[in-house]
Amino acid sequence: DSGVTQTPKHLITATGQRVTLRCSPRSGDLSVYWYQQSLDQGLQFLIQYYNGEERAKGNILERFSAQQFPDLHSELNLSSLELGDSALYFCASRGGSSGANVLTFGAGSRLTVL
Amino acid sequence: AQKITQTQPGMFVQEKEAVTLDCTYDTSDPSYGLFWYKQPSSGEMIFLIYQGSYDQQNATEGRYSLNFQKARKSANLVISASQLGDSAMYFCAMREGMDSSYKLIFGSGTRLLVRP
Repeated sequence: DSGVTQTPKHLITATGQRVTLRCSPRSGDLSVYWYQQSLDQGLQFLIQYYNGEERAKGNILERFSAQQFPDLHSELNLSSLELGDSALYFCASRGGSSGANVLTFGAGSRLTVL
Repeated sequence: AQKITQTQPGMFVQEKEAVTLDCTYDTSDPSYGLFWYKQPSSGEMIFLIYQGSYDQQNATEGRYSLNFQKARKSANLVISASQLGDSAMYFCAMREGMDSSYKLIFGSGTRLLVRP
C-alpha cells in the first residue's frame, strides 16, 4: 500500500457522461498530481495542485477539471466523455512523508467509456 | 522531440541473472532528476530509484542500481539477481529544472519478462 488512495478502482460509463475520480494523498504530502495512462499516449501529466492551489498544467483537456480541497484530497472531473478517454488515471503525491524527490503513486482508477 | 527514450519495448532475462534496461534523456537544463518506476500487471506504479543530475555517485537501492552516464545522457537501470516477481513494465522518467511543479515526463516503458 503506497499510502495514496484512489477511488473508484474501476469505472465503466457511457459516452457523454461525467465522472469524478477521487484521490487522498499520503499523510503530510501537500502536492497532488494527476496522470493519464493510455495505450496510444503512454503516461501523460495532466495537472498538479499544491496545498489547494493549481501549480502546473499539462495535457489536460478542457472537458477535464480538478481541484484540491482543504483536507488535501483531490478530485478529477471528466465530462462529456469520449471513447478515447478510456484510460488508467493515476494520482500521485509528493512531499512530507514521501520525501522531496519522489512521487508516490496510487493504484489508479481504470475508466472504461463505452 | 522525445525527452525520454526507452528503446527496448520488451526484454527477457533468466531468473537470477542481471539485466539492464536502457533509458536516454534529452534536456538542456543543468538541474534535473531521473527516476525509474515499476508497473506490475496489477497496474500500480512503484518507485524504484532516483538519480539527481548533480549526484556524484550512481544511485543504488537493494538489487536496483542506476548506471548514470551524464555525458551520454543515459540512465540505465540495472537489476541484479532477477526474480520472477520482477516481471513487469519499467518506466524511466525525468524531472526538469528546479521549479516547484516537479512534474515528471515518462518514457514509453520496457516490458521485462523473467524466465524461470
